[in-house]
Amino acid sequence: QVQLQQSGAELAKPGSSVKISCKASGYTFTSYYISWIKQTTGQGLEYIGYINTGSGGTNYNEKFKGKATLTVDKSSSTAFMQLSSLTPDDSAVYYCARGRYFDFWGPGTMVTVSS
Amino acid sequence: EIVLTQSPTTMAASPGEKVTITCRASSSVSYMHWFQQKSGTSPKPWIYDTSKLASGVPDRFSGSGSGTSYSLTISSMEAEDAATYYCLQRSSYPWTFGGGTKLELK
Repeated sequence: QVQLQQSGAELAKPGSSVKISCKASGYTFTSYYISWIKQTTGQGLEYIGYINTGSGGTNYNEKFKGKATLTVDKSSSTAFMQLSSLTPDDSAVYYCARGRYFDFWGPGTMVTVSS
Repeated sequence: EIVLTQSPTTMAASPGEKVTITCRASSSVSYMHWFQQKSGTSPKPWIYDTSKLASGVPDRFSGSGSGTSYSLTISSMEAEDAATYYCLQRSSYPWTFGGGTKLELK
């Protein structure tokens, strides 16, 4: 069965970076893009971007350019999202989802930015 | 960026009651997609391409609409339908979600 496993919760200091992972199983990894979505209580759901798991090509929501960097390791069927220059506004749950149709979601990774 | 406005933001329905959730777009979109999220879990695809039910979704759910106005309807509310529902447009980049409608059981 299709599964997306995400890395655990992160507590980070302002100005630092975190790298979240999303390991896929149960399907051919390179047949589907991986998308990333941010969820906060205040802003709801926000689309960050997606990565072509075959070519590594990326497409970002303009709002998250410079904030999020998407990469992929085909050998381990894992997608990554690095968030840089963290501020308290980056505190959220971050989801990976399969494809551009978000047909399967990971359980989410909570990132808390606090000094 | 297309802004999606859902209404109502919260509502409560009794078992058997008909429920309609609306999603209005700031510009015309070709299709609307809906997700269901229950507390502490990830969103699930619920309705795609405006009116197609995702796998496993009960047929008491339906979707309709065009242009700037779309809706999700439950013909007869059941306890398991209590959740937050989000609309999503993929017609124009960046893809955007509505703010969500929290549906509670009365």
